[in-house]
This record gives sequence, structure tokens and C-alpha cells, in this order.
Amino acid sequence: QLQLQESGPGLVKPSETLSLTCFVSGGSISSPGYYWAWIRQPPGKGLEWIGSIYYDENTYYNSSLESRVTISADMSKNQFSLNLNSVTAADTAVYYCARHPQAPNFEYWGQGTLVAVSS
Amino acid sequence: QSVLTQPPSVSAAPGQRVTISCSGSSSNIGTNVVSWYQKVPGTAPKLLICENNKRPSGIPDRFSGSKSGTSATLDITGLQTGDEANYFCGTWDGSLHAHVFGPGTKVTVL
Repeated sequence: QLQLQESGPGLVKPSETLSLTCFVSGGSISSPGYYWAWIRQPPGKGLEWIGSIYYDENTYYNSSLESRVTISADMSKNQFSLNLNSVTAADTAVYYCARHPQAPNFEYWGQGTLVAVSS
Repeated sequence: QSVLTQPPSVSAAPGQRVTISCSGSSSNIGTNVVSWYQKVPGTAPKLLICENNKRPSGIPDRFSGSKSGTSATLDITGLQTGDEANYFCGTWDGSLHAHVFGPGTKVTVL
């Protein structure tokens, strides 16, 4: 059974960089055909897709965040990461990692991790 | 502001049926498949419906999805108290080049 688990600081200061890692078990992130994504949900709001990385490490991002986002993968550790720089309070959210095929079906999700941006 | 529109809430008594709509446009629902997710506060979203009307393994047939034109619908029959949750639709938007989600619909079992 594929499992994903987010890890990272729960508090980030404004203007700094938010860094999260998603540890994947029960499957390989280098398996062809799957994308590995970051999605967030601000308090009281809906889901927002941040970006995805393919098994070949190609990436694509939400244009609204693209200038501040980097998603990378460490195939040897079977994990992928999110860096979001120049954060503000508007970046406070529960951050999820997930897997999807080319179709927009986010099949597996991590439990989510709350990241607050505050001084 | 989402490019997909859902009603904020729907409610029904146990055993009854609820229908949740998801309205979009030609750049998203009109040309791409739709998925539906169940989100209980404090837990991860669960994929209920993929590719408009397919149920992943383990999802009861009380949940069904359909799509027509630029709108999609999630039906829940035989409503149970455990179905109380927020339900989101999702798809790809070709104009935004982004995966997009609806704002969510809260289902209340009376």
C-alpha cells in the first residue's frame, strides 16, 4: 500500500523559505507514469494545487506560485520536496503531498502538515 | 476565487440522496475529466470518483459521478452519518495550465 508522509517545520517567518519533504513508502517515485504533487489548503478555504514533478524529474507549477516554487526529488531516498520562498501569512495552510497519473486524479495523499507563517 | 463553482452546502436525512454540482467552463470541465474528493476535517482528502464516473477500489456504489458539457455532478445515495464531510471537484484547466479544485460543498446529514 502506497503511503506518503509530509515532514517539515510547522512555523516559518515571513519572507523566509518554506521547505517540506514528502517521504514515500510502498512504491517508487521513479516508477514511470506517475506525478508527485504538492497541494495546500489555507484555513477555511479550498484546495490549491502548487505543482507536480514527474518520475523523470520534469516539473510543472501553478502559475500563481511559479515564481516562488521549486519542487525536486531525491530518487535514492524515494522522497520529493517543496521549497516556497518569500512566504507571507497568505501561505499559511495545511500542505499535502499526493500522487496522480497524467489524469487529474489525486489517488494517494499524505496526512497533511500545517505550516503557519508568522514572526 | 476558484474557476469551478459548487454550492456551499447541501443537506438531507439519513437514507436520502444528495446531489452536488460542479460548474466550470470549456477550458476545464468542458474538455477534461473530473474527479471528486471527500474531505473530513483533520484528515487527508479521499478520491471518490475519477475520470468523471469511475470509482476507485473500495468506494461504495452509493457514490456516483457524471459529467455533461461544462458541469459535473456527484450523487450520494443512501446517505449515512459518516458521509458528513466537505466534497470537492477537481479537474485540469487548459487556460490556466493548472489543476483546479472547486471551493467545496459541505454535506450535512440531518
